[in-house]
Amino acid sequence: GEQVEQLPSSLIVQEGASVLINCSYTDSASVYFPWYKQEPGKRLQFIIDIRSNMERKQNQRLTLLFDKKTKHLSLHITATQPGDSAIYFCSASNYAQGLTFGLGTRVSVFP
Amino acid sequence: ETAVFQTPNYHVTQVGNEVSFNCKQTLGHDTMYWYKQDSKKLLKIMFSYNNKQLIVNETVPRRFSPQSSDKAHLNLRIKSVEPEDSAVYLCASSPRLGGSYEQYFGPGTRLTVL
Repeated sequence: GEQVEQLPSSLIVQEGASVLINCSYTDSASVYFPWYKQEPGKRLQFIIDIRSNMERKQNQRLTLLFDKKTKHLSLHITATQPGDSAIYFCSASNYAQGLTFGLGTRVSVFP
Repeated sequence: ETAVFQTPNYHVTQVGNEVSFNCKQTLGHDTMYWYKQDSKKLLKIMFSYNNKQLIVNETVPRRFSPQSSDKAHLNLRIKSVEPEDSAVYLCASSPRLGGSYEQYFGPGTRLTVL
């Protein structure tokens, strides 16, 4: 089945810096790649997604890049704020199988 | 309010007991899911379900079963819990059964098995 690898496992940055999270998947049949954010004690929150027919998507301070050939994604967060501190999850979806998640990247932003 | 709701928030029980968790979505979605999130935050799909099809992750033990009365509800029953079942169980929904739809998550039910 699908496997999703996510790196790094954790990041500590100062407010205002940028963050880059990398993700790779194995199943070429995966077509949809949503990313979620989980703050302590809160529910998983959708932040951005991309489909396999796209290469780039931007949503305010978030930019998601997708390379179908290498099965690789990267999430770039610019101008980080303390409110960006959370665990970020990459995921891949293959039609009816639900989402396969990476292990998450814990981002800590200090003022 | 339209969202995904889960009850209870927490449940503590002993090995061998049966438990049942509730999930309701008011988003009008056709498909619902159950995920397990362990203590290391690893998230794994357990079930995908709409009114026509149930897809079970092959790694899910048979003591777990989903129960649905209508498309807005998908409960999770665990018959005879084991210590390794301690985790947070997340319910989610999406508009359709298919790979290209955003999933909306509930707040989770934390299960502790003593």
